[in-house]
Amino acid sequence: GDSVTQMEGPVTLSEEAFLTINCTYTATGYPSLFWYVQYPGEGLQLLLKATKADDKGSNKGFEATYRKETTSFHLEKGSVQVSDSAVYFCALSTIVPDDKIIFGKGTRLHILP
Amino acid sequence: DAGVTQSPTHLIKTRGQQVTLRCSPKSGHDTVSWYQQALGQGPQFIFQYYEEEERQRGNFPDRFSGHQFPNYSSELNVNALLLGDSALYLCASSFGRSPLHFGNGTRLTVT
Repeated sequence: GDSVTQMEGPVTLSEEAFLTINCTYTATGYPSLFWYVQYPGEGLQLLLKATKADDKGSNKGFEATYRKETTSFHLEKGSVQVSDSAVYFCALSTIVPDDKIIFGKGTRLHILP
Repeated sequence: DAGVTQSPTHLIKTRGQQVTLRCSPKSGHDTVSWYQQALGQGPQFIFQYYEEEERQRGNFPDRFSGHQFPNYSSELNVNALLLGDSALYLCASSFGRSPLHFGNGTRLTVT
């Protein structure tokens, strides 16, 4: 079945460091891909998305490119801030055969000042 | 504009009991989905409601049931609670193919 695999955390970085969180997927159709972020005590918020191959999603300095050839959607940010500390979830959705979102297990990110 | 609201925030129940969780979708949204997020895991899809009917269902037993009302709000019911049902239950709403908007969740603890 469809699935998402993302790098395990926690990931600890210093402020202004470069961030990469790896995500790969398995899907039978042509999925849309998402990154969601969950801050402590809150629900999930959509960070960015891409709906077709080679699309780049971006928001708040984060970027991810939909790579069909490598089935990947890695999250990157050039200079992280303490406020980026959160749990990040990679996810996919397909219309066929059903319309639901499948999430990875999440990667906890700690940014040190 | 209120987003997705869930109640209660926290809940403690005993094994074997029944529980009802509630969700009001974001204004303008007509589809409600429910997810279970166990500690340290990603959310798992339970089911989705549209036009007051269950449209999709994940791999959850029949102990999990739901309802959607004419005002698009929704309830999640869990019968015969097990310890393993302890989790954060997230409600998400959407309209058409728009991205999901999540509530802050209900933390259910089964003792």
